[in-house]
Amino acid sequence: QVQLQESGPRLVKPSQTLSLTCTVSGDSFNSGTYYWTWIRQPAGKGLEWIGRIYTSGNTNYNPSLKSRVTISVDTSRNQFSLRLNSVTAADTAVYYCARDALGLGVGGRHIDYWGQGILVTVSS
Amino acid sequence: DIQMTQSPSSLSASVGDRVTITCRASQSISIFLNWYQQKPGKAPKLLIYTASSLQSGVPSRFSGSGSGTDFILNISNLQPEDFATYYCQQSFRTPFTFGPGTKMDFK
Repeated sequence: QVQLQESGPRLVKPSQTLSLTCTVSGDSFNSGTYYWTWIRQPAGKGLEWIGRIYTSGNTNYNPSLKSRVTISVDTSRNQFSLRLNSVTAADTAVYYCARDALGLGVGGRHIDYWGQGILVTVSS
Repeated sequence: DIQMTQSPSSLSASVGDRVTITCRASQSISIFLNWYQQKPGKAPKLLIYTASSLQSGVPSRFSGSGSGTDFILNISNLQPEDFATYYCQQSFRTPFTFGPGTKMDFK
């Protein structure tokens, strides 16, 4: 069974950097078929895909955040991380880490495992 | 980016009802469309992937269909645990955008 757990500061000051880590348990982290993804959700609002990373280090980012986002991976620790620079109140949200898997057959990608989410508040 | 829309944005239903939620993409996404269910305070849960494939462990009363730009999630014989918010997501091209959600509550 795969489990993901987000960790990091829950309060970040405006203009500073939000940093979160996701620790993955189970034996799938270094498998060749998964991407490791960050998604966020402001209170009472919908889901926003932030970006993803492959264990090789290859990344894809949401263009709306690309200038401020870095996702990195540490395969020795089964962890991947999110850094979001120059945060404002608009970045206050629940941040989820998740596993992006490849489906059988035609091979569409989907999120099959999620962390519980961590609420990060941007406030002075 | 590919924009996703859903209708209705909210709906009221009763246990035993059959409901339909529609998702539309701003361009063709083939069958690369997923459906998730989210309950308050919880992470989303995958229901359907690639438009019509039922995720393991998800009850068969959930079904999906569609291709191109128009997709449907059907839920038959609604159960009390089905009252939640439902999101579609395209996985045709990054960023893998989500629809705005459909919130279902008790009539």
